[in-house]
Amino acid sequence: AQSVTQLDSHVSVSEGTPVLLRCNYSSSYSPSLFWYVQHPNKGLQLLLKYTSAATLVKGINGFEAEFKKSETSFHLTKPSAHMSDAAEYFCVVSGGKLIFGQGTELSVKP
Amino acid sequence: DAGVIQSPRHEVTEMGQEVTLRCKPISGHNSLFWYRQTMMRGLELLIYFNNNVPIDDSGMPEDRFSAKMPNASFSTLKIQPSEPRDSAVYFCASSSPARLFSGANVLTFGAGSRLTVL
Repeated sequence: AQSVTQLDSHVSVSEGTPVLLRCNYSSSYSPSLFWYVQHPNKGLQLLLKYTSAATLVKGINGFEAEFKKSETSFHLTKPSAHMSDAAEYFCVVSGGKLIFGQGTELSVKP
Repeated sequence: DAGVIQSPRHEVTEMGQEVTLRCKPISGHNSLFWYRQTMMRGLELLIYFNNNVPIDDSGMPEDRFSAKMPNASFSTLKIQPSEPRDSAVYFCASSSPARLFSGANVLTFGAGSRLTVL
């Protein structure tokens, strides 16, 4: 069975500082992993996906994530936060159907 | 493409009333998913269709919920009778064919239907 755990329910950073949103997964085989973002009152939008190619995946808006099999992690990072990054972020593992984490709310302070 | 289109965007109704949520997937996508999002439970998959056929409805909470996909361009999620605990945002999503079970499918989500049952 597959599962995903987002380690922080809320992360707060200052504008211009790095962002780290943590995600651990459990999978009995090589998984596909995704990060989705949800801005307030909007649907979910794909940020990036990992599908067993390069372990460092680059997404939209300057986000990237690194797949680390030894740590069963797929953390999302961005070097410099922008106010528009404030949103909820979901780590997702695919096992036939997508399994969503509980989400991490990112706040960005001016 | 206009993306996944959901209607209504907002619905307020009274307990006991029937609610119908509608979804138009992206043209050419052959998989359609209904999710429910609440603060308490996060995102839950209710049901998904492949080529208009329901594949997995194990997430449908109870018999009050039903979903149909009469053709490739339209799906409905119906709640009858509605209850206050059904209040949530309901998302429809679609994905392109051929890779559903490869694990690499990308879902495109609609903007959601926010349901409030009083």
